[in-house]
Amino acid sequence: GQSLEQPPEVTAVEGAIVQMNCTYQTSGFYGLSWYQQHDGGAPTFLSYNALDGLEETGRFSSFLSRSDSYGYLLLQELQMKDSASYFCAVRDGRSNYQLIWGAGTKLIIKP
Amino acid sequence: EAGVVQSPRYKIIEKKQPVAFWCNPISGHNTLYWYRQNLGQGPELLIRYENEEAVDDSQLPKDRFSAERLKGVDSTLKIQPAELGDSAVYLCASSATPAGYEAFFGQGTRLTVV
Repeated sequence: GQSLEQPPEVTAVEGAIVQMNCTYQTSGFYGLSWYQQHDGGAPTFLSYNALDGLEETGRFSSFLSRSDSYGYLLLQELQMKDSASYFCAVRDGRSNYQLIWGAGTKLIIKP
Repeated sequence: EAGVVQSPRYKIIEKKQPVAFWCNPISGHNTLYWYRQNLGQGPELLIRYENEEAVDDSQLPKDRFSAERLKGVDSTLKIQPAELGDSAVYLCASSATPAGYEAFFGQGTRLTVV
């Protein structure tokens, strides 16, 4: 079957670094995406990994290991506005490119 | 560039009543998705369109849900009759291509069935 696992909640301190993990199981992996969603808001795209390695975009970095079916999102220099839920989503190439979503990690930032 | 537009933003209806949601995707985006999101969970795909064709509706409860995308642009999602368990946020998203890794979401419609 297809499934993604994310820790339900992570707590960090303002200015620190936090890593949010995602493990997946899918028959036709095509790529791993990360989305941010503030309470009451729409999911917004953060990053995408199709190949192994680290992708960096400002304070956000995303890592993928296809052999381990594992990825993570790294946030540096945390700001209070980063408090949100973070979802990983896998695109399955054998299911007509269906996007399978994890349940999300709620990031709580303390001053 | 205008984003994905959804209406209404909020809807409260009594159970057994019908309800409809409307979505206007980003101009030029051929792929359109309808998702349902319950509190504390990730989006759950209901239906995906490529132009006007529904290519994935395996998770759409067809006994009460219907959708259409006339002319391959705007889309409407309908529930008839609504049940208490349908209370959720209904999100519309679009992407430029079927395998496009970036999907753009509308603000969603928060449905409350009482």
